[in-house]
Amino acid sequence: KNQVEQSPQSLIILEGKNCTLQCNYTVSPFSNLRWYKQDTGRGPVSLTIMTFSENTKSNGRYTATLDADTKQSSLHITASQLSDSASYICVVNPHTGTASKLTFGTGTRLQVTL
Amino acid sequence: DAEITQSPRHKITETGRQVTLACHQTWNHNNMFWYRQDLGHGLRLIHYSYGVQDTNKGEVSDGYSVSRSNTEDLPLTLESAASSQTSVYFCASSLSGAMGTDTQYFGPGTRLTVL
Repeated sequence: KNQVEQSPQSLIILEGKNCTLQCNYTVSPFSNLRWYKQDTGRGPVSLTIMTFSENTKSNGRYTATLDADTKQSSLHITASQLSDSASYICVVNPHTGTASKLTFGTGTRLQVTL
Repeated sequence: DAEITQSPRHKITETGRQVTLACHQTWNHNNMFWYRQDLGHGLRLIHYSYGVQDTNKGEVSDGYSVSRSNTEDLPLTLESAASSQTSVYFCASSLSGAMGTDTQYFGPGTRLTVL
């Protein structure tokens, strides 16, 4: 069964610090990998999307990396802000490429404190 | 601005009752999806639609049904609510096509409690 595992489950950091969230997947081959941000009580919002041939993608202070050989992705947040407090979800789309086959990770809950 | 809305935002019901959750999008997207989100699980697909009159079962469709009579709406019905269906439900939409490359835009969610 295709799986997406994220670590850590939760993380607390001080405002201004950097952090890196991990995503390991078994989906192979795959079409694309996406990171979503989900604020408490809200729906997920897409941050980045990478195809299997891309190594990195940035969106402001968010930088996603992808290593298709090791089946790992990471999301790096630079100079964290209180508004970064949220859950971050990794989503993998299989190579069969159907929108109904997306595999969602369980997310990493990030808390940024003063 | 285009948006996707869900109603109600919170719902408490009793076991055995029929419940319908509404989803309305003004993006003019062909694709619409219903997911449930539970602790310890990633979002799981319940039903989806690639266009008017098209509906398909997802991974966890038992006990749920949908119908698509227009582009904007995909209501989710729980035929006979069970405690196992207590969850947060998200509706999403994407432009078109079945390839999964289009961004899915999510609604704010409906928190359903079945007592």
